[in-house]
Amino acid sequence: DAGVTQSPTHLIKTRGQQVTLRCSPKSGHDTVSWYQQALGQGPQFIFQYYEEEERQRGNFPDRFSGHQFPNYSSELNVNALWLGDSALYLCASSGLAGGPYEQYFGPGTRLTVT
Amino acid sequence: QKEVEQNSGPLSVPEGAIASLNCTYSDRGSQSFFWYRQYSGKSPELIMSIYSNGDKEDGRFTAQLNKASQYVSLLIRDSQPSDSATYLCAPETSFQKLVFGTGTRLLVSP
Repeated sequence: DAGVTQSPTHLIKTRGQQVTLRCSPKSGHDTVSWYQQALGQGPQFIFQYYEEEERQRGNFPDRFSGHQFPNYSSELNVNALWLGDSALYLCASSGLAGGPYEQYFGPGTRLTVT
Repeated sequence: QKEVEQNSGPLSVPEGAIASLNCTYSDRGSQSFFWYRQYSGKSPELIMSIYSNGDKEDGRFTAQLNKASQYVSLLIRDSQPSDSATYLCAPETSFQKLVFGTGTRLLVSP
């Protein structure tokens, strides 16, 4: 049973550039949530996708946007990158197949903005 | 007041001892609670979930929940050096939205 996968593993971008991160959920899961984890901090909720719609959003600016595809995979886009966007970006999937509300994380994408 | 508070540690225990990790949360509406383990440079791994007041045991792990006190804890029995990691407490504040503490770093010495 494939777990949550994310790509790429690492990414280096320059301030002002745009980036797209990708996530495939665990088999049987239909909900994808994205989190940002800065060094030494716990993950912070960015937004969540269900049935190809953004269902809820955390306290992140509009520079952060996303998408969910019919196969439940998801993308996170960040425009106009700041140095402060450097972090580990985590995708988590959930759904009835994984227990009522349990979220399982992918390996993450380490983004460095220079 | 932070939404989720955890002692950042490090919490140092000898091998074979019981490690006790604590967490308090501010949202009285939270109904589901999760503990994740995160090794350095890796992503969080779900180790326990608890939904009702009381204790829930799974192998060497026991989660305890007291909603009236807004307190959740994780006990690790017979701690092993491989348990050395950061443990993240995460209440669910709205449907499938988790709020994380900064985590407690656990060090188990041989």
